[in-house]
Amino acid sequence: QVQLAQSGAEVKKPGASVKVSCKASGYTFTSYGITWVRQAPGQGLEWMGWISGYNGDTDYAQKIQGRVTMTTDTSTSTAYMELRSLRSDDTAVYYCARALVAAGNGFYFDSWGQGTLVTVSS
Amino acid sequence: QSVLTQAPSVSGAPGQRVTITCTGSSSNLGDNYDVHWYQQLPGTAPKVLIYGNNNRPSGVPDRFSGSKSGTSASLVITGLQAEDEAVYYCQSYDFNVRGSVFGGGTKLTVL
Repeated sequence: QVQLAQSGAEVKKPGASVKVSCKASGYTFTSYGITWVRQAPGQGLEWMGWISGYNGDTDYAQKIQGRVTMTTDTSTSTAYMELRSLRSDDTAVYYCARALVAAGNGFYFDSWGQGTLVTVSS
Repeated sequence: QSVLTQAPSVSGAPGQRVTITCTGSSSNLGDNYDVHWYQQLPGTAPKVLIYGNNNRPSGVPDRFSGSKSGTSASLVITGLQAEDEAVYYCQSYDFNVRGSVFGGGTKLTVL
């Protein structure tokens, strides 16, 4: 079965960077993309971006473009999300999810990681 | 302010039917982009409930159904059960934003 296993919780100071990993198993990694979604405490879901598992093409949300980099390592079926210049409002649970192409364009997300809590605090 | 608008909360008694709506615009639902629905139980990751407007993944009970018309979409839950108490999110693609977008979420309370 499809599984996405994320790295553990992180505590960072403002201005620092964080890199979260997402190791995929149970499917051919290069056949699907990975999306990243975050959820601030008590808030809704926010789409951060997408990376192709096939060729590494990326698409980032405008709000965080310039601070985020998504990469993959196909040899280990692992996706990474690095967020730089962290601020207190970046405190959130960060999820990776497998992205499937919707018949009517766009993507939906059928399998999710367990989430990684990133706390930004001085 | 979410690109897709959902009511913050809805409630229903066990056995009843509830409808959760998602309102978009011409740059997302109205531009023929599919809508998808997710269920998030407390303390857990979201789970896809409906994809491609009205398709259920295997394992999702047929008590859950989805539809889309114009710039709006609906998730209908029939035969409400206590275990359905969760937050429900709609999701689509927005041409102006050039990315996926989520609704703000609707918290379902089973009375």
